[in-house]
Amino acid sequence: EIVLTQSPTTMTASPGEKVTITCRASSSVSYMHWYQQKPGASPKPWIYETSKLASGVPDRFSGSGSGTSYSLTINNMEAEDAATYYCQQWNYPSMWTFGGGTKLELK
Amino acid sequence: EVQLVESGGGLVQPGRSMKLSCAASGFTFNNYDMAWVCQAPKKGLEWVATINYDDSGTYYRDSVKGRFTISRDNAKSTLYLQMDSLRSEDTATYYCVRDDSYYFDYWGQGVMVTVSS
Repeated sequence: EIVLTQSPTTMTASPGEKVTITCRASSSVSYMHWYQQKPGASPKPWIYETSKLASGVPDRFSGSGSGTSYSLTINNMEAEDAATYYCQQWNYPSMWTFGGGTKLELK
Repeated sequence: EVQLVESGGGLVQPGRSMKLSCAASGFTFNNYDMAWVCQAPKKGLEWVATINYDDSGTYYRDSVKGRFTISRDNAKSTLYLQMDSLRSEDTATYYCVRDDSYYFDYWGQGVMVTVSS
């Protein structure tokens, strides 16, 4: 079974700061997806197939990675980016798995 | 506009059953695989089950195999999750999601299921 480990689990960032969230897979995977969730709301698709931004996602966000290491980066943190971010992948036979989440707070 | 509207949640005793429904609109339902994802209170996301667009296959996380059944009615554009032998650890918000090539591109608002005596 593939396990996705996100780091850090919690972090704070100031407006304008660069933020990087990492997702490590226990075995190599072909791509990673990312979701954003704010308190009391459903998760939103955010980045798919490692580096493609979902509709409406600001271009200060980017995704990269391969193999067992993937990342979500925010250039110039803004207040609205404070949220929890989850990575997700599909692999046989583990099927669909999520990372534990990274809570990003505004400093 | 794609909409996924869940219903059927609530409070249920351990060992009992509950059936969730998800009414889909705004897209051709029978062209997409569909899934359920859950989130226990203050916890992360967990995939629960997936069904192929044509009902040709169903897939479950290990902890719900043999207890939960995912199904769909393409004529009614509706997804279901039959949950039997419920346990306290099944307490969560359950989201209906559309699966586009193993990526969950649309999510419902979620429905809360509380398993407690």
